[in-house]
Amino acid sequence: SQQGEEDPQALSIQEGENATMNCSYKTSINNLQWYRQNSGRGLVHLILIRSNEREKHSGRLRVTLDTSKKSSSLLITASRAADTASYFCAILNSGGGADGLTFGKGTHLIIQP
Amino acid sequence: DTEVTQTPKHLVMGMTNKKSLKCEQHMGHRAMYWYKQKAKKPPELMFVYSYEKLSINESVPSRFSPECPNSSLLNLHLHALQPEDSALYLCASSSFQTSGKETQYFGPGTRLLVL
Repeated sequence: SQQGEEDPQALSIQEGENATMNCSYKTSINNLQWYRQNSGRGLVHLILIRSNEREKHSGRLRVTLDTSKKSSSLLITASRAADTASYFCAILNSGGGADGLTFGKGTHLIIQP
Repeated sequence: DTEVTQTPKHLVMGMTNKKSLKCEQHMGHRAMYWYKQKAKKPPELMFVYSYEKLSINESVPSRFSPECPNSSLLNLHLHALQPEDSALYLCASSSFQTSGKETQYFGPGTRLLVL
């Protein structure tokens, strides 16, 4: 299975602090994505990092990818209460056409005001 | 318009009922997906439609029957479900354009309870 495994499973921090979530996977990939899910509703795409990239930024988000260790991390800086959500890494099942995503187990992030 | 809509938001049905979930997108995406998500678990792929044709069926029981009547609509017909089928059902779509094909856009989901 290509399923990503995230850690920690749950993370509670104070507003303003940084939050780091990690994801590991098992097979070679073309890219890895991160999604956010609020309160068991739809998922929102956050960022995609390709296998030839090591780091990518988007606003307060920073994603790293280490293909030698088959791992990725998502850093949220200066966290806000609105960042409270579940965060999933996801891998496309294959490289061509329309493919489903395989999601990691997710990290539930709680930002304490 | 980058929205995927799903109806109904909530559905309660008995094991002998027949119901349908509906998903709609107007982004011109030609790939559409159904995922199932149990509580505190990640979404799991059920079906993939490419250009209105079923391309992937992840060994889903026949009591779930997908249908793609046109490029904007995706249905999931439910019949004789079991209580363990209670879950959040998520629809998603994506483009076949090279620059955007990896990103999937999700609807808010239908929360299904089978009694």
